[in-house]
Amino acid sequence: RKEVEQDPGPFNVPEGATVAFNCTYSNSASQSFFWYRQDCRKEPKLLMSVYSSGNEDGRFTAQLNRASQYISLLIRDSKLSDSATYLCVVKGIRSNDYKLSFGAGTTVTVRA
Amino acid sequence: ETGVTQTPRHLVMGMTNKKSLKCEQHLGHNAMYWYKQSAKKPLELMFVYNFKEQTENNSVPSRFSPECPNSSHLFLHLHTLQPEDSALYLCASSQAVNYGYTFGSGTRLTVV
Repeated sequence: RKEVEQDPGPFNVPEGATVAFNCTYSNSASQSFFWYRQDCRKEPKLLMSVYSSGNEDGRFTAQLNRASQYISLLIRDSKLSDSATYLCVVKGIRSNDYKLSFGAGTTVTVRA
Repeated sequence: ETGVTQTPRHLVMGMTNKKSLKCEQHLGHNAMYWYKQSAKKPLELMFVYNFKEQTENNSVPSRFSPECPNSSHLFLHLHTLQPEDSALYLCASSQAVNYGYTFGSGTRLTVV
């Protein structure tokens, strides 16, 4: 099983639509979770942290399900500018390991 | 200048060449990292430096040689690379190890 696994997509959605996708992780003891955004041929940038109780940042909602070992990202009212690859990042994927592990990314394309 | 700066942005080198990638951070961070990103694959951690000391070498071939002269600068020296080493090489920094990464724009390396 991959340490951090994501559906690569692409998710093609019209403007204004809602899109959601998950990421699974292999270690139930993992400590922290993040979503990063990476635009084409650019570097990854932190989008938001994921908290145990779930959290929102504008149109973006992140959820954590420890029992099933997945995190999710939901984007409401999609904008063209939301087109990007979304990287799931998990801290502490291995026991006693503080490092960040990245998923391969989920590509979202928002069309006019 | 702020953030994390990487040079060059693009590099094409032959398998017998020697070149170096440079990373500089102006954020006062104590930890710096080299990552490799190949197409459709997760970011692969290569090296971690904490307070100028290398704390992680993730089984990287010796044809990649990092150097960290101070906490603001990080180099990746390249020699006798293989075509499969072609990838995007990303530098990142954080205040503490594996907390709040800021990535540079990356160097897109092509080995011919």
